[in-house]
Amino acid sequence: NAGVTQTPKFQVLKTGQSMTLQCAQDMNHEYMSWYRQDPGMGLRLIHYSVGAGITDQGEVPNGYNVSRSTTEDFPLRLLSAAPSQTSVYFCASRASGGGSSNQPQHFGDGTRLSIL
Amino acid sequence: AQSVTQLDSHVSVSEGTPVLLRCNYSSSYSPSLFWYVQHPNKGLQLLLKYTSAATLVKGINGFEAEFKKSETSFHLTKPSAHMSDAAEYFCVVRNFNDYKLSFGAGTTVTVRA
Repeated sequence: NAGVTQTPKFQVLKTGQSMTLQCAQDMNHEYMSWYRQDPGMGLRLIHYSVGAGITDQGEVPNGYNVSRSTTEDFPLRLLSAAPSQTSVYFCASRASGGGSSNQPQHFGDGTRLSIL
Repeated sequence: AQSVTQLDSHVSVSEGTPVLLRCNYSSSYSPSLFWYVQHPNKGLQLLLKYTSAATLVKGINGFEAEFKKSETSFHLTKPSAHMSDAAEYFCVVRNFNDYKLSFGAGTTVTVRA
């Protein structure tokens, strides 16, 4: 049971480079989201998706793009990396229905990204 | 709008003694509340959740939390700390029928032998 799988686990980029953080889940969850975790700030929502073909902005969306072409995958793209995007990125998914607000999030193990 | 305040950024306890992690929340609607634990270099794991049923919620690994609406609190406790409890803990709130979560800043727990 893989759950939520993120790749890569670590990445170092130079300022201005672009890259895609991959996220896949095998639980048939409709809801998926991306967070960044910075010291003393908890997790902040970057983008989220309520189903294939539907995405929306979270709290800190600038500099990031997402797409959701399948239920399983939700990649996060950094268009032009900046040092302020150095962070740990977490992908999460959760089921819908059955009182969806009560459904817990399932998190991946994170991608540690450094921008030089 | 919803928000979460974790009142302690760091808690240090001796093994075998009680643990108390404090969380206050604000929410416009009936909230769902969660506690997550994060071990080093790992993702977040759900400890327990409050979903408007019993106000005292029992979770995994001996943790429990009590929802107090009058105090807008959702404190996490464990009667006897274990070395494996050393981790970071996040209190999280979600408004009813709102997708977005609000995370507290986290409380780091260290356990002394």
